[in-house]
Amino acid sequence: AQSVAQPEDQVNVAEGNPLTVKCTYSVSGNPYLFWYVQYPNRGLQFLLKYITGDNLVKGSYGFEAEFNKSQTSFHLKKPSALVSDSALYFCAVRDIENQGGKLIFGQGTELSVKP
Amino acid sequence: NAGVTQTPKFRVLKTGQSMTLLCAQDMNHEYMYWYRQDPGMGLRLIHYSVGEGTTAKGEVPDGYNVSRLKKQNFLLGLESAAPSQTSVYFCASSYDLGLAGGYEQYFGPGTRLTVT
Repeated sequence: AQSVAQPEDQVNVAEGNPLTVKCTYSVSGNPYLFWYVQYPNRGLQFLLKYITGDNLVKGSYGFEAEFNKSQTSFHLKKPSALVSDSALYFCAVRDIENQGGKLIFGQGTELSVKP
Repeated sequence: NAGVTQTPKFRVLKTGQSMTLLCAQDMNHEYMYWYRQDPGMGLRLIHYSVGEGTTAKGEVPDGYNVSRLKKQNFLLGLESAAPSQTSVYFCASSYDLGLAGGYEQYFGPGTRLTVT
């Protein structure tokens, strides 16, 4: 079965420090992977995606993610965290076994960046 | 270009009442989706549509119905609301995947529904 796991409910980082939000996936074929961010009382905003090509993907707001096929991971990273990065982050994988292009979401990781 | 919009933003229902949530997109997307978001459970797909006039069940379809009479609109109905349907509902849309499969979904701002 296809699935996505975000092993940390919460990540705490000091402003200016690097941050990592972890994501692992399980799919039968080549994965299509996505990261979204949700600010309080808002909808989800697309950050970046991996479809094919370079394992390091760059996205919005200075975020990047590294695809690692052997570890089935797609961790979100940023070299220097900002207080404004505090939000809920979701990793997702495209359901490739069924029609409709559905996304399978992880449970979300709350990122808190302190000044 | 408004993207994906949802109405209403907030609603309180009594058990047994009915309502319809409206989602509209102006990006000419083929695919549209309805999700619900509950604490600690991420987003779960309720129903989706791959084109005008077509709908399909997602992960948690019970108690909901949908219609896609126009390409730009996707309606979610609750015929007899229950407290378990208290949630935040998100609509999303994306381009037709074709062979690529890599198009991201665009989300609306959400509807916060409380059923008492």
